[in-house]
Amino acid sequence: EVQLVESGGGLVKPGGSLRLSCAASRFIFSNYNMNWVRQAPGKGLEWVSSISSTSTYIFYADSVKGRFTISRDNAKNSLYLQMNSLGAEDTAVYYCARVGYSGYGDYFDYWGQGTLVTVSS
Amino acid sequence: DIQMTQSPSSLSASVGDRVTITCRASQSLSSYLNWYQHKPGKAPKFLIYGASTLQSGVPSRFSGSGSGTDYTLTISSLQPDDFATYYCQQTYSTPLTFGGGTRVEIK
Repeated sequence: EVQLVESGGGLVKPGGSLRLSCAASRFIFSNYNMNWVRQAPGKGLEWVSSISSTSTYIFYADSVKGRFTISRDNAKNSLYLQMNSLGAEDTAVYYCARVGYSGYGDYFDYWGQGTLVTVSS
Repeated sequence: DIQMTQSPSSLSASVGDRVTITCRASQSLSSYLNWYQHKPGKAPKFLIYGASTLQSGVPSRFSGSGSGTDYTLTISSLQPDDFATYYCQQTYSTPLTFGGGTRVEIK
C-alpha cells in the first residue's frame, strides 16, 4: 500500500527554521500532486501548501506565504517543506498527503502519520 | 476564501445509533466536497469525495449527500471503530479549507 513517512520535526526557537521531509513509496511519486496539512494542538486540520507533480504549480495558505517553501525531488520520491521565521502559531503536527483527482476536484487519498513541530523558547 | 462550518462540533452517541454531521460552505461548492475521519495519533483517513462517492474500502454505513452550500455525512449504524473526529473539506478553490471538525464520542 501507499506509504508516506514524514521526518524533520522537532523543537525550534521562535524565528528559527526547520525543513520537513516526506518520503513516498509504493506508488509512482512523479505522477501525483502533493500537499502539506497541519494540525495545531487542540485545533482542526489546516491546509498549508500544494505542489503539482512537476512543480509547475505551487500554492500556499496566507498564514505561511513568504515564510514556507514547498518543493519536491521526484528522483528521490521526496516532498519537502522549508519553514522559516517560525512562530508559536506554527506549532503543529505536519502531515504530507497525496492528491487524487475525480470529476469533482482533488481529494487527499493517502496521508502520512505526521511529524511534530514545536516552536518555543 | 471559502469558509466551512461544521455542526455540531461534538456529539455523544451509542453503538448502533444513526449519526448525521452537517457542513455548510460560505459559497456554492458544486459538490467539490470531501470527508475525512481522524483518530488521535493516526493519519487522517479519506472517506468520501464529490459529496457522495465512497472511497474504495470505506464501509457502506457511511454516506454523503448534499449540494450547493449544504452537505451531510451520515453513519447509519455507529460502530466502535467510528469514534473519531470527522472533517469536511472543500476543493472548489484555493485555499483549500477544512471544516472545524466534529468529534464523535461514546455516550
